[in-house]
Amino acid sequence: TQLLEQSPQFLSIQEGENLTVYCNSSSVFSSLQWYRQEPGEGPVLLVTVVTGGEVKKLKRLTFQFGDARKDSSLHITAAQPGDTGLYLCAGVQTGANNLFFGTGTRLTVIP
Amino acid sequence: NAGVMQNPRHLVRRRGQEARLRCSPMKGHSHVYWYRQLPEEGLKFMVYLQKENIIDESGMPKERFSAEFPKEGPSILRIQQVVRGDSAAYFCASSPLGTSGSTDTQYFGPGTRLTVL
Repeated sequence: TQLLEQSPQFLSIQEGENLTVYCNSSSVFSSLQWYRQEPGEGPVLLVTVVTGGEVKKLKRLTFQFGDARKDSSLHITAAQPGDTGLYLCAGVQTGANNLFFGTGTRLTVIP
Repeated sequence: NAGVMQNPRHLVRRRGQEARLRCSPMKGHSHVYWYRQLPEEGLKFMVYLQKENIIDESGMPKERFSAEFPKEGPSILRIQQVVRGDSAAYFCASSPLGTSGSTDTQYFGPGTRLTVL
C-alpha cells in the first residue's frame, strides 16, 4: 500500500496553462515537503509546509497543506518549459525518522 | 557551501560482486538517510544513521545490505553479492537534526546509479 498518492501521475500541458498536482493520504503528517527531480539527479527541495491550512508561494508555485495535515496541493500558474520534471511530495509522520514519498507526478510543459 | 555529495555517480557490477556507495553529508549535518529508487518506482527509505550509530534500519533488506557512518569519513552503503534486482538509483540525504516529527528538512545528493549485469 502507498502512503501518499499523487495525482495525476502524468500531465502534459501547453506553455502558459495553469495546473494543480494533488498529494493525498489517510495518514496525518507533522510536515510535508515538495521536491522536483530532474532525470539523472536527486530530488531538489521546493518547500516544506508544517501547519494545517498553511499556504506558501514560490514565484509561480503555490503550495497548500490541508487543514487536517493529510493532503497537499501544488498549483503552478502560467507553466513554462523549465517547469518540466518529476514532482514528488514527501511526508514525515510524528515519531518517524524518514520521509514517505508520494508516487510522483511527471509534468511536461510543451513550448 | 557544498551540498550532499555521492560517489560514484554510476557503478556497474557483475552478479556476486560487492558494491560500495559513499555519501558525504552537507557541512554541519550529522544525520544521514539512504533511499532507493527502483526503475519506475518512488523513493523508499532504507536506513537512518547518525555518527557511529544506526538509528533506524527498518527499510533495509535483511541480507546482503549494510550501512555505516563512521566518526571520520563518509557514510557507506554496502551491498554484498549483488543481484540484478539491486539495480536502482541510491540516494543519500542529510539533515542537521533528526527528523523524528520535527520540521527539519532533508537535502538530497545526486544519487548513485547501480547497474548489475
